[in-house]
Amino acid sequence: GIQVEQSPPDLILQEGANSTLRCNFSDSVNNLQWFHQNPWGQLINLFYIPSGTKQNGRLSATTVATERYSLLYISSSQTTDSGVYFCAVGGYQKVTFGIGTKLQVIP
Amino acid sequence: DTGVSQNPRHKITKRGQNVTFRCDPISEHNRLYWYRQTLGQGPEFLTYFQNEAQLEKSRLLSDRFSAERPKGSFSTLEIQRTEQGDSAMYLCASSSGAGSDTQYFGPGTRLTVL
Repeated sequence: GIQVEQSPPDLILQEGANSTLRCNFSDSVNNLQWFHQNPWGQLINLFYIPSGTKQNGRLSATTVATERYSLLYISSSQTTDSGVYFCAVGGYQKVTFGIGTKLQVIP
Repeated sequence: DTGVSQNPRHKITKRGQNVTFRCDPISEHNRLYWYRQTLGQGPEFLTYFQNEAQLEKSRLLSDRFSAERPKGSFSTLEIQRTEQGDSAMYLCASSSGAGSDTQYFGPGTRLTVL
């Protein structure tokens, strides 16, 4: 099956700092999503981005499908950004999640 | 649009018992997914429905697991003869399939098998 690698596994930021999270995948995909899992366990969809670039407020994402990677940018981080960020890739019937990047934003 | 709901939120059971979980997707979403998540891991795909048809099932899913989606609305996931290794968070997600496969997740059901 498809392999998904996320980096870094852990990240600690001072509030207000910027960061970039990376997702590498082993095969071509037509479905790539970024999720945020908050400390209470709820998964929130951030982006559906099988290719191209999207922005939503302080967050943006870029997927270069031909090179099999995606980047999630977080600017001006806030404590509410803490949690685990997952990349999920695959098709419409099945996606494979990475193990996530655990982000802690400290005041 | 009230989002994806799951019941119960928590379930504690003894080894060997059967349990059933329910998922109510966002109305008019024809795609429904079940996942399992253990501590420190990403969600692991279990099965996928399009309307009432179960079209994809993980090879990791043992015969003790069964899922249904009668009439293409809510879905149930049943685990028979539970084992301690079944302890996990069981997540349900739905998507509309209309030009975007954005998945919306429910809050999950946390299962503890004693």
